[in-house]
Amino acid sequence: GQQLNQSPQSMFIQEGEDVSMNCTSSSIFNTWLWYKQDPGEGPVLLIALYKAGELTSNGRLTAQFGITRKDSFLNISASIPSDVGIYFCAGATSGTYKYIFGTGTRLKVLA
Amino acid sequence: DTAVSQTPKYLVTQMGNDKSIKCEQNLGHDTMYWYKQDSKKFLKIMFSYNNKELIINETVPNRFSPKSPDKAHLNLHINSLELGDSAVYFCASRTGGGYGYTFGSGTRLTVV
Repeated sequence: GQQLNQSPQSMFIQEGEDVSMNCTSSSIFNTWLWYKQDPGEGPVLLIALYKAGELTSNGRLTAQFGITRKDSFLNISASIPSDVGIYFCAGATSGTYKYIFGTGTRLKVLA
Repeated sequence: DTAVSQTPKYLVTQMGNDKSIKCEQNLGHDTMYWYKQDSKKFLKIMFSYNNKELIINETVPNRFSPKSPDKAHLNLHINSLELGDSAVYFCASRTGGGYGYTFGSGTRLTVV
């Protein structure tokens, strides 16, 4: 089945650093979502994007809907230890009921 | 109150057994889903129901059968369990309009 590629696959960063990750697709999407999954839990929605070029923030998180509609980006500023987890992007085309999920970026923060 | 709840949280069973996982959502959402997350954490859609009607049925073995008695519940029954069925199964729901899913906390199925 179709899968979105996320980069990087994993990263270790120091507390206080900024983090950037991206998600690319071979298909055009009308909606992009970013989720975070903590160990033993289900993914939790962080940010939803609905328009090409849209930039949306949620606290220290900022996500962008790529102009080509084939990619999306997530930035985390001033990372803290509780940012540890797996970040997933997900995309959907209009008129469909399903989101395709990315391969995930595993973030580890060193205190 | 838990928005999307799944039971059980953990399920360990022997090959060949039949088991069910239950899911309930109290969000008033119209659409519910089952996703499978493998050991590499890939999330893959299995089924979706909209107002009790099956709308998505990905390439899933016939041993997996979803059932939606009403729009707040979506259960997953698995026959003749195999080792490869071991994974975490997530239930999710969403309302219309392109909004994102709300996930349950998952059921970790281990087949031995």
